Amino acid sequence: DVKVTQSSRYLVKRTGEKVFLECVQDMDHENMFWYRQDPGLGLRLIYFSYDVKMKEKGDIPEGYSVSREKKERFSLILESASTNQTSMYLCASRGTGLGYTEAFFGQGTRLTVV
Amino acid sequence: DQQVKQNSPSLSVQEGRISILNCDYTNSMFDYFLWYKKYPAEGPTFLISISSIKDKNEDGRFTVFLNKSAKHLSLHIVPSQPGDSAVYFCAAKRNFGNEKLTFGTGTRLTIIP
Repeated sequence: DVKVTQSSRYLVKRTGEKVFLECVQDMDHENMFWYRQDPGLGLRLIYFSYDVKMKEKGDIPEGYSVSREKKERFSLILESASTNQTSMYLCASRGTGLGYTEAFFGQGTRLTVV
Repeated sequence: DQQVKQNSPSLSVQEGRISILNCDYTNSMFDYFLWYKKYPAEGPTFLISISSIKDKNEDGRFTVFLNKSAKHLSLHIVPSQPGDSAVYFCAAKRNFGNEKLTFGTGTRLTIIP
């Protein structure tokens, strides 16, 4: 069974803290993604990675960085958390090739920055 | 620049009736479309998809229709059930392997018992 696991369901952090959100997938997928979900804005892509150590900016990368040292793990880093980064963060993975079109999502991390 | 648009933020439908959720896109390079369903505090789950070479795809109670000339797709749920109450997102991608999914803003569907 397909599984994408995010390390935390809920997090509360202080403004200015460095925050790490971890995501692990067990499907040997090449592609991994970080989205955030906000009311009225849908799911917006922050960063994605199509291979180990490879990354590309999504639509809203400002204030974030990522790390992909191993194929199964993709980390999102908030260098200095701010209140406007309070959101639901969703990790996803997808295989490569014509047969791999749907992305599988983790359960989400609700981050609150105070 | 919202390339995938869901213009109805919410929709209420009586149990047993048909639910129709709509989605419009602007990028003519999109050629694969997906619908996801999301419950609160959970990640989205894949529902159904359609390739641009088709105009209809059916899976049980769910049917997706694609009108390429209008750049419009819709999801039909028949009959609607209380468990269908969720937020529905449409998504689109270009069929080049590594391409990202671009999501719409979502429609909250409420099924009234």
